[in-house]
Amino acid sequence: GAVVSQHPSRVICKSGTSVKIECRSLDFQATTMFWYRQFPKQSLMLMATSNEGSKATYEQGVEKDKFLINHASLTLSTLTVTSAHPEDSSFYICSARPLAGLAKNIQYFGAGTRLSVL
Amino acid sequence: LAKTTQPISMDSYEGQEVNITCSHNNIATNDYITWYQQFPSQGPRFIIQGYKTKVTNEVASRFIPADRKSSTLSLPRVSLSDTAVYYCLVGDTDSNYQLIWGAGTKLIIKP
Repeated sequence: GAVVSQHPSRVICKSGTSVKIECRSLDFQATTMFWYRQFPKQSLMLMATSNEGSKATYEQGVEKDKFLINHASLTLSTLTVTSAHPEDSSFYICSARPLAGLAKNIQYFGAGTRLSVL
Repeated sequence: LAKTTQPISMDSYEGQEVNITCSHNNIATNDYITWYQQFPSQGPRFIIQGYKTKVTNEVASRFIPADRKSSTLSLPRVSLSDTAVYYCLVGDTDSNYQLIWGAGTKLIIKP
């Protein structure tokens, strides 16, 4: 149980294009989903927190107009990197927090998306 | 949010027990302590969580002393596949349960 699917696993795109990353909780409903970014040999950095049906809360320094987050249902959140540039190249990871039960204290993570902007 | 401190790296050998200790001196009353494992180019994987005392599952054990200012992850009889980065995190379940990720501990298991 508690599986989070993240797609695509890898994206290579040209500078200026937009890229959408999907995050789905497959066997549970998630009240909250999180988006992280991780650079090589570094720890995870929280980008934003999204709750179903409301606007995402972005961390300081993260541009909300560049990293668009949509959390349309209790099982799906999307991150769109708009007008991507080489400096946006990174490993993006989503996580989901179950709606109820003891497991609501735990974040379950997707496998991550490797974004390379040429 | 409570800050955690872990050793940057640890080495051990196959078949040994490995204990990774995490300090969190300013842990709050409502904070839970959670351990994750991350392999390169993969998302973190939940290992174990608890509030106090000792918890054991099929993967690991976790011990938290009464003052809750530290936590120890115990991996019994490690194998080469346990080579990974291990993160200790604390978070308040009453909020959005945001987690602040430290540098983690890079565990290298040798044959």
